[in-house]
Amino acid sequence: GDSVTQMEGPVTLSEEAFLTINCTYTATGYPSLFWYVQYPGEGLQLLLKATKADDKGSNKGFEATYRKETTSFHLEKGSVQVSDSAVYFCALSDLVKTSYDKVIFGPGTSLSVIP
Amino acid sequence: DAGVTQSPTHLIKTRGQQVTLRCSPISGHKSVSWYQQVLGQGPQFIFQYYEKEERGRGNFPDRFSARQFPNYSSELNVNALLLGDSALYLCASSLVPANSGNTIYFGEGSWLTVV
Repeated sequence: GDSVTQMEGPVTLSEEAFLTINCTYTATGYPSLFWYVQYPGEGLQLLLKATKADDKGSNKGFEATYRKETTSFHLEKGSVQVSDSAVYFCALSDLVKTSYDKVIFGPGTSLSVIP
Repeated sequence: DAGVTQSPTHLIKTRGQQVTLRCSPISGHKSVSWYQQVLGQGPQFIFQYYEKEERGRGNFPDRFSARQFPNYSSELNVNALLLGDSALYLCASSLVPANSGNTIYFGEGSWLTVV
């Protein structure tokens, strides 16, 4: 079945460092891809999304490009801040395969940014 | 506008008991989904309800059930609780299901501990 794999954490970076969190997916259809973020003690928030190959999602300085040839959707940010400390989830949904919003999540990557 | 609201935020139950969790979607949203997030893992899809009908179900036993009310709020019921049911239960809402333009909004979740 469809699945998402992402780099294991925790990831610890200094403020203003460059961030990459790798994500690859397995899907038989043409999924939409997402990055969600979960701040401590809070629910999930959609960070960005891409619905077709070569789309780039961006938000709050974060970017990810839908690469169908490598089945990847890596998250990047040029300069992280302490406030970016959170758990990041890569996810997909395949609305062609299902008629409902089943989102498949990766295991999450914990990011800590130190001053 | 209020986001997705869930109650209770925390609860402790004993093995074999039953639990009911509640969710109110964002005003105007007609679709509600439930996810289980075990500590250290990504959320797992349980089911989605739309117009009071179950539209999709994940790989969870029949001990898990839900319903949606005319005002689109929803309840998740889990019977015969097991220790392994200890998790964060997330509710998500969207305007309608299976629309690639949808954004799925998550609540902050209900923490269930089974002892």
